[in-house]
Amino acid sequence: KAGVTQTPRYLIKTRGQQVTLSCSPISGHRSVSWYQQTPGQGLQFLFEYFSETQRNKGNFPGRFSGRQFSNSRSEMNVSTLELGDSALYLCASSERQGEKLFFGSGTQLSVL
Amino acid sequence: GESVGLHLPTLSVQEGDNSIINCAYSNSASDYFIWYKQESGKGPQFIIDIRSNMDKRQGQRVTVLLNKTVKHLSLQIAATQPGDSAVYFCAESSGGYNKLIFGAGTRLAVHP
Repeated sequence: KAGVTQTPRYLIKTRGQQVTLSCSPISGHRSVSWYQQTPGQGLQFLFEYFSETQRNKGNFPGRFSGRQFSNSRSEMNVSTLELGDSALYLCASSERQGEKLFFGSGTQLSVL
Repeated sequence: GESVGLHLPTLSVQEGDNSIINCAYSNSASDYFIWYKQESGKGPQFIIDIRSNMDKRQGQRVTVLLNKTVKHLSLQIAATQPGDSAVYFCAESSGGYNKLIFGAGTRLAVHP
């Protein structure tokens, strides 16, 4: 099986812009979660989707949003980018909620 | 607790030695624990998981020990190899959700 695929791998944006990141889970996996990783804060949970519904949300401002499609693929969007949004954004999938999570390689976002 | 920390603790071992990486978790309601390995430029890679109804679980060259009394988790790697050099994260969750709370991570350096 192919692993979790995230696109793009790298992204450079400027403050105030918005960005959309894409994630294709492992085939058959219906749960998709997103995490932000920074040197200062480590790995932090953004949100979790299962069957196209957001099941859980972390402590991030409303500028961070996501969605899941009927084929389990997911996107996350960050609007009005700030310098502090520079991070590695990781997507992870599992067959069901509460099962082991498998991560993609992430999208490295740099906000200038 | 929440993942924090810019400066990761480092464990240096000789090739062939056994390694023990420790992790303290904060939520006594956590019922699922998982260890990840992250190499530079890659997403976290699943190593092993354990549920709270167990206190030990073994995989290939790895063993996870869970002590719920003191809220402590450890990862033992047998016969450590240079390819084991990476940052190791423990993570916890509760309630069957995929909202993982990650530890700060430990850098494992394996010397020949």
